[in-house]
Amino acid sequence: QMTQSPSSLSASVGDRVTISCRASQSIRNLLNWYQQKPGKAPKLLIYTASSLLSGVPSRFSGSGSGTNFTLTISDLHPEDFANYFCQQSYSTPHYTFGQGTNLEMK
Amino acid sequence: EVVLVESGGGVVQPGGSLRLSCEASGFIFRSYWMNWVRQGPEKGLVWVARINSDADMTDYADSVKGRFTISRDNARNTLYLDMNSLRAEDTAVYYCVRWAHWAFDFWGQGTLVTVSS
Repeated sequence: QMTQSPSSLSASVGDRVTISCRASQSIRNLLNWYQQKPGKAPKLLIYTASSLLSGVPSRFSGSGSGTNFTLTISDLHPEDFANYFCQQSYSTPHYTFGQGTNLEMK
Repeated sequence: EVVLVESGGGVVQPGGSLRLSCEASGFIFRSYWMNWVRQGPEKGLVWVARINSDADMTDYADSVKGRFTISRDNARNTLYLDMNSLRAEDTAVYYCVRWAHWAFDFWGQGTLVTVSS
């Protein structure tokens, strides 16, 4: 089970924000982060906890291992306001997602 | 450019059936495991099913096991999801998703399935 916090977050352009994801048991580094905008499909940002997918801006970063993980967005851009989900790939094939974090503009 | 295009969604009565399709392009389809992931009205994401690249291994979420069947045609670069005995709780947007880097790395735009009388 994946628990994300906070469920919603208000921030301003230029801010640095952190979203957390906690696993109920160790999942090593098998944790991924996705961004989803309204009416659109999710997009992979970070895989295996800290690897940035090619083409994703470097202001996105991920860290953590075991049970605690974070997604950090430094220098928020207007296009970054969206929903963010974590997802574990440890319990194959029963992959599970966090409930999401709604990042909105203050 | 990787492109995944789903089709086949619609409105169906409880107990009915539906077949979803996903046409893939821009990558070597036969080399990748593929999945279906759904997102219901409450907006949570739920993994539904997966199939390996050779189409000889499949897995399902407990909630759909015995009712849904995932398959693929590598010659046609197409992924399928046959859904039977549909229930109201199956109502969702269904995404076709590629598996790589231990993650769901590319997603289709989704197709809406509504189960309602």
